[in-house]
Amino acid sequence: QVQLVQSGSELKEPGSSVRVSCRTSGYSFTNYAINWVRQAPGQGLEWMGWINTNTGYPTYAQGFTGRFVFSLDTSVSTAYLQISGLKAEDTAIYYCARVSYCDYWGQGTLVTVSS
Amino acid sequence: EIMLTQSPGTLSLSPGERATLSCRASQSVSSTFLAWYQQKPGQAPRLLIYGISSRATGIPDRFSGSGSGTDFTLTISRLEPEDFAVYYCQHYGSSHTFGQGTKLEIK
Repeated sequence: QVQLVQSGSELKEPGSSVRVSCRTSGYSFTNYAINWVRQAPGQGLEWMGWINTNTGYPTYAQGFTGRFVFSLDTSVSTAYLQISGLKAEDTAIYYCARVSYCDYWGQGTLVTVSS
Repeated sequence: EIMLTQSPGTLSLSPGERATLSCRASQSVSSTFLAWYQQKPGQAPRLLIYGISSRATGIPDRFSGSGSGTDFTLTISRLEPEDFAVYYCQHYGSSHTFGQGTKLEIK
């Protein structure tokens, strides 16, 4: 069965970096794009962008350029989200989801930015 | 970029009743790239409807989607206790945007 399993919660200091992983199984990884979605505490869903898992080409939504990087390791069917220069307002749950209409989701990774 | 506005913000109904949730786009959605998700506290969202009206795998037929142009609707024909949650619409065309959500609560 299709599964997306994300890495565990992270507590980071402002200015540091974090990498969230999204390990997939149960389907052909390079046939389906991966989206990233952010959900701040008590807030709605915010689409961050997506990565073409066949070419590795990322597309970033407005507001998610510069400090946010999507990448892949196709040898282990895993997508990554790296955030640098962390700010308190980056505190959120980050989800990966398969395909444009997000048919399968990871369980979410809570990133907390605090000193 | 297409903006999506969901209404109402909160909908209070009883089990067994019919729920109608609205999603209005800031400009006409020329394609069928409109989806609906359900999210319960502490859980990831779950896809309910894609392509305006196609039910995702395993979704009960009490959930249905409809609409065109700028106005879209998610209908839950007869509410079950497990249906009380937050619902989001999403346009997934050239740019992807989510609505702000509708909370469906027990009356």
